Amino acid sequence: QQPVQSPQAVILREGEDAVINCSSSKALYSVHWYRQKHGEAPVFLMILLKGGEQKGHEKISASFNEKKQQSSLYLTASQLSYSGTYFCGTGDMIKAAGNKLTFGGGTRVLVKP
Amino acid sequence: EAQVTQNPRYLITVTGKKLTVTCSQNMNHEYMSWYRQDPGLGLRQIYYSMNVEVTDKGDVPEGYKVSRKEKRNFPLILESPSPNQTSLYFCASSPHLGQGYNEQFFGPGTRLTVL
Repeated sequence: QQPVQSPQAVILREGEDAVINCSSSKALYSVHWYRQKHGEAPVFLMILLKGGEQKGHEKISASFNEKKQQSSLYLTASQLSYSGTYFCGTGDMIKAAGNKLTFGGGTRVLVKP
Repeated sequence: EAQVTQNPRYLITVTGKKLTVTCSQNMNHEYMSWYRQDPGLGLRQIYYSMNVEVTDKGDVPEGYKVSRKEKRNFPLILESPSPNQTSLYFCASSPHLGQGYNEQFFGPGTRLTVL
């Protein structure tokens, strides 16, 4: 079952903050975040692992609440380059083989000048 | 340049005409995967492969076949395409098998239209 992302879309002014949430009905081992610009392939941003280990990219941060089976991506002091669609991909505890991820439906972010 | 390539990038075909979308990576990655992307549904995994001759179904495998005879190539085969397979397809690869440890590198995508 796909994780649920919210909001589905957000419009920001340059410099504003936003939070994108990703919720799963399954116990999670890992959460990946990707960004896709229009007409391009998704690009990796970040991995959050069970136990709190985190890898980051650029100035975007994220948290992973294992008990709530949720992750949040924080866009702080947003830049025009942050525009795009953000996807979370979850790796569940049962299917521990390889890097099998289940992606959410995406959150469209538009940053205006 | 390290990359994942897909061919063709665009394809219009008719119902029932067999087609193959190729995917190749030059990074010596063990893990490869195919996704389809549809509006509002995000990326849904079709098949994945953890190594040569090792493949498994993803979440939406019906109507698709794959093979992994070489480490670098992972073709997606539609033996009898139907209009509901009209979609944007992405191939991705990842360097290791560890659960969730590694980023996936995506190819540029193949836009398929089945009439």
